[in-house]
Amino acid sequence: DAGVTQSPTHLIKTRGQQVTLRCSPKSGHDTVSWYQQALGQGPQFIFQYYEEEERQRGNFPDRFSGHQFPNYSSELNVNALLLGDSALYLCASSSGGRTDTQYFGPGTRLTVL
Amino acid sequence: RKEVEQDPGPFNVPEGATVAFNCTYSNSASQSFFWYRQDCRKEPKLLMSVYSSGNEDGRFTAQLNRASQYISLLIRDSKLSDSATYLCVVRTGGFKTIFGAGTRLFVKA
Repeated sequence: DAGVTQSPTHLIKTRGQQVTLRCSPKSGHDTVSWYQQALGQGPQFIFQYYEEEERQRGNFPDRFSGHQFPNYSSELNVNALLLGDSALYLCASSSGGRTDTQYFGPGTRLTVL
Repeated sequence: RKEVEQDPGPFNVPEGATVAFNCTYSNSASQSFFWYRQDCRKEPKLLMSVYSSGNEDGRFTAQLNRASQYISLLIRDSKLSDSATYLCVVRTGGFKTIFGAGTRLFVKA
């Protein structure tokens, strides 16, 4: 039973560029949440996707956008990258739009130079 | 004020010690509470949910005090393998999950 997978593992970009991160949820899960975790901090909620729609959003600018596909996988897009966007980006999956039990992927470590 | 606050630590304890972590939350309408564990450079993993009546899982005991808006985690008989960051998590109405910054624990032989 495959758990949550994310790609790529690591990524290096320069300021102003755009990046796309990908997530495949755990088998049987249909809900994907994205988090940003800066060094020494807890994960910060970016947004959640369920039934291919963004259901709730944290305090992140419009530069952060996402998408969920019919197979429940999801993408996180960040435009006009800033140095402060350097972080570990975590995807968590759950089922039925609930987040009581979330399973996290290993994350994508993004470095912006 | 942060929505979820934790003592960042680090807590340095010997093997076999009992250690307690506290967490406070600001939104009185919060509905669900959890403790996650995160090892260095790894993803968070659910340790246990926290219920008003208190709950125990082996050496781990979690308590919730809604009146005072705090959550606690007690670890008894600490093992070297308990060394990690412990994240307090609160879910508000809707779908938003809020993590504390985490408390680092080092258990030494």
